[in-house]
Amino acid sequence: DQQVKQNSPSLSVQEGRISILNCDYTNSMFDYFLWYKKYPAEGPTFLISISSIKDKNEDGRFTVFLNKSAKHLSLHIVPSQPGDSAVYFCAAYTGANSKLTFGKGITLSVRP
Amino acid sequence: KAGVTQTPRYLIKTRGQQVTLSCSPISGHRSVSWYQQTPGQGLQFLFEYFSETQRNKGNFPGRFSGRQFSNSRSEMNVSTLELGDSALYLCASSLGSATREQYFGPGTRLTVT
Repeated sequence: DQQVKQNSPSLSVQEGRISILNCDYTNSMFDYFLWYKKYPAEGPTFLISISSIKDKNEDGRFTVFLNKSAKHLSLHIVPSQPGDSAVYFCAAYTGANSKLTFGKGITLSVRP
Repeated sequence: KAGVTQTPRYLIKTRGQQVTLSCSPISGHRSVSWYQQTPGQGLQFLFEYFSETQRNKGNFPGRFSGRQFSNSRSEMNVSTLELGDSALYLCASSLGSATREQYFGPGTRLTVT
């Protein structure tokens, strides 16, 4: 049972435009959400996170939105840059078992 | 501060063999988690060790095991390798157990033939 779902396997965006990466979850016990970015031949790197008590968190070009009622979060990258091309993983955490659950990832390609 | 290191980076084994992978966490980090990444399944949690004790375990068969040493370094062992074990194995460290932000190593690419 996939508790964290990234339903789109890939996204292609023009440089300078907005990238919107979506993530859905099913477990209402999740209380913290994270986004990781992964380049080929490297491990995932932490990008941005949001607590379930907030609905928005911003860090430079990256903003994460959380809609708890819809069990949905999204990562917005504005403006998108070619260096943002990578695989992005959505992850959810629950203090109940102190475990991170990852989605399958989405490959973002930013076209120059 | 040095990041998480994993050795070896690449490994080719034959079905039925066993393999041991090593992970050195960031200095001061006491928790180490292991994940398996495959193209179709994303990152799947294997287990977490904190202060030499296994704190969490994912849904993997008993062929997958691990341990942590007093210096927080961790090893993961897979016995009786199967073709389906071919994957990227990632290690992540964090300051303590239940710390949400984890820092990943580059992974070990295991190929089973």
